[in-house]
Amino acid sequence: AQTVTQSQPEMSVQEAETVTLSCTYDTSESDYYLFWYKQPPSRQMILVIRQEAYKQQNATENRFSVNFQKAAKSFSLKISDSQLGDAAMYFCAYRSPYSGAGSYQLTFGKGTKLSVIP
Amino acid sequence: GAVVSQHPSRVICKSGTSVKIECRSLDFQATTMFWYRQFPKQSLMLMATSNEGSKATYEQGVEKDKFLINHASLTLSTLTVTSAHPEDSSFYICSARAPTTGELFFGEGSRLTVL
Repeated sequence: AQTVTQSQPEMSVQEAETVTLSCTYDTSESDYYLFWYKQPPSRQMILVIRQEAYKQQNATENRFSVNFQKAAKSFSLKISDSQLGDAAMYFCAYRSPYSGAGSYQLTFGKGTKLSVIP
Repeated sequence: GAVVSQHPSRVICKSGTSVKIECRSLDFQATTMFWYRQFPKQSLMLMATSNEGSKATYEQGVEKDKFLINHASLTLSTLTVTSAHPEDSSFYICSARAPTTGELFFGEGSRLTVL
């Protein structure tokens, strides 16, 4: 079974600065998907960024980028120019490649609570 | 973008009663939906996979008779917590899979409090 580990329960960053959230995972599969989700106080999960394991290029979405190290099974999230609205719980998630109904289920890490200091 | 809506967002009930939570995909037809449970300051734990027109697939340790899931249409899945007890109090979240991209979209969540 796959596992996802987020070793930082809480992080803080000064507004406009850069912060990196760590995530490692364990899998025996060669092809898979990785995600970072944001859960603000409103509690609705929002997709921040996704990475396909077969792609060597790191995914980027505006101020959000990842450092995907497949051999090390590491998938960190970098938030640049942090904003107050970035404050939330961030969950790293793993998904196996699709192989039938139900195969889109995600395995989540325990989350990192990010605080942004004005 | 795609929207998944959950209702109710908050519900309080007495011990022994049943509560139904609805999950609707508003922008697309979802053949597969997922139900999660989230305890305070913890991650999401998958409870079951809901497939339209067939029985739900429950994760190990989840009582299927207690957490009834119905996915009768392509836009609606329901989770019914039967004979609720205080230990069932939690935050329940659904997600729906977009058929073309496979991306999962999450509902706003439903907070259940059992007195």
